[in-house]
Amino acid sequence: NFMLTQPHSVSESPGKTVTISCTRGSGNIASSYVQWYQQRPGSAPTTVIYEDNQRPSGVPDRFSGSIDSSSNSASLTISGLKTEDEADYYCQSYDSSNPGVFGGGTKLTVL
Amino acid sequence: EVQLVESGGGLVQPGRSLRLSCAASGFTFDDYAMHWVRQAPGKGLEWVSGISWNSGSIGYADSVKGRFTISRDNAKNSLYLQMNSLRAEDTALYYCAKADGGSIAIAWFDPWGQGTLVTVSS
Repeated sequence: NFMLTQPHSVSESPGKTVTISCTRGSGNIASSYVQWYQQRPGSAPTTVIYEDNQRPSGVPDRFSGSIDSSSNSASLTISGLKTEDEADYYCQSYDSSNPGVFGGGTKLTVL
Repeated sequence: EVQLVESGGGLVQPGRSLRLSCAASGFTFDDYAMHWVRQAPGKGLEWVSGISWNSGSIGYADSVKGRFTISRDNAKNSLYLQMNSLRAEDTALYYCAKADGGSIAIAWFDPWGQGTLVTVSS
């Protein structure tokens, strides 16, 4: 099994841009898709990015995803930050033996 | 609209059993793999188990292997999780989640139910 490592927390001001990283500990980040989930307090997770860089319908284009093979990491970028973006964000990927490998989560504070 | 509604959670003593259910609607249930994901209080997400569309492929996290059993009834559009030999560390909110395809091997979880809380304590 591999691990996904995220920063514990990030903070930024409204209107700014923030990037959350997700580093794969072993194996190639590009070998399986990465998803990103947003979880607001008291709510179930919802998908903001799937298959590395795809946005589900209804997710604003302020949210974007990418992968970087050189750093073996994925990133979630949120531009034009709004207070409603304040939430926990989790990256997730998989391999042949474990369909659900989650990062530890990043708490985004918009202050 | 896709809906997943979990039930069956509650307070249970260590060593006892509990069976969770997830009622699905709004999609063709037997086309998709399904998963259970849990979240301990104040902690992150942990995949627990997954089952393919026809129950032909099943997977478990090492932390629950041998104690939990996932199953589904496609005629009833329902997913289950039988949890035996429960431990305090199994205390969590258990979410049911739909996969993006019929196999458990390539997993994208969407949507998720609202979860059912399992508390293991004496």
